[in-house]
Amino acid sequence: QQQVKQSPQSLIVQKGGISIINCAYENTAFDYFPWYQQFPGKGPALLIAIRPDVSEKKEGRFTISFNKSAKQFSLHIMDSQPGDSATYFCAASTHTGKLIFGQGTTLQVKP
Amino acid sequence: KAGVTQTPRYLIKTRGQQVTLSCSPISGHRSVSWYQQTPGQGLQFLFEYFSETQRNKGNFPGRFSGRQFSNSRSEMNVSTLELGDSALYLCASSLGGTEIETQYFGPGTRLLVL
Repeated sequence: QQQVKQSPQSLIVQKGGISIINCAYENTAFDYFPWYQQFPGKGPALLIAIRPDVSEKKEGRFTISFNKSAKQFSLHIMDSQPGDSATYFCAASTHTGKLIFGQGTTLQVKP
Repeated sequence: KAGVTQTPRYLIKTRGQQVTLSCSPISGHRSVSWYQQTPGQGLQFLFEYFSETQRNKGNFPGRFSGRQFSNSRSEMNVSTLELGDSALYLCASSLGGTEIETQYFGPGTRLLVL
């Protein structure tokens, strides 16, 4: 019930393409869904986050799509760039300081 | 504003020893959460401290403990180290209010247990 399942584990995309990472959850008490980006040797950094009362949120090239009935959410990276190559984590939380993370997706954007 | 800082950045210990890691949150942040990151288990929540009190706890054995000081700085301690404790330990800080807030992560302390 506390799990967040993330796929794919790794992703290779050509420069300019769209990167799509998917996550699914079971606990309907989750009400905050952030995405974090992590570069080697660094801590995770918040990219974008969404609450379940909206179905989509866009910030620059990054978009979260949220499907409450299916208990799924996804990250779309438009016009992917080599600098986007990193590990991406979805997460979920209730009204606490506890984030439940997905297993991560390693994205490689080829020039 | 300075970000979350963690010391030390790297640490090598042997089995059976204990270790203390330190985290200084962003100025004004009162909540500090700790996470363990390993290739096999990913990012797992250890515990959260707010106003010197543990507010949340993950599913880790009692060998893992923490505390928070009046200036919001936090330490975590791992006693009787095991090989499986080798990991990147991350702390994250947030304002700590009742609403859900962004957690800002530090660079982590990489612990190697030999």
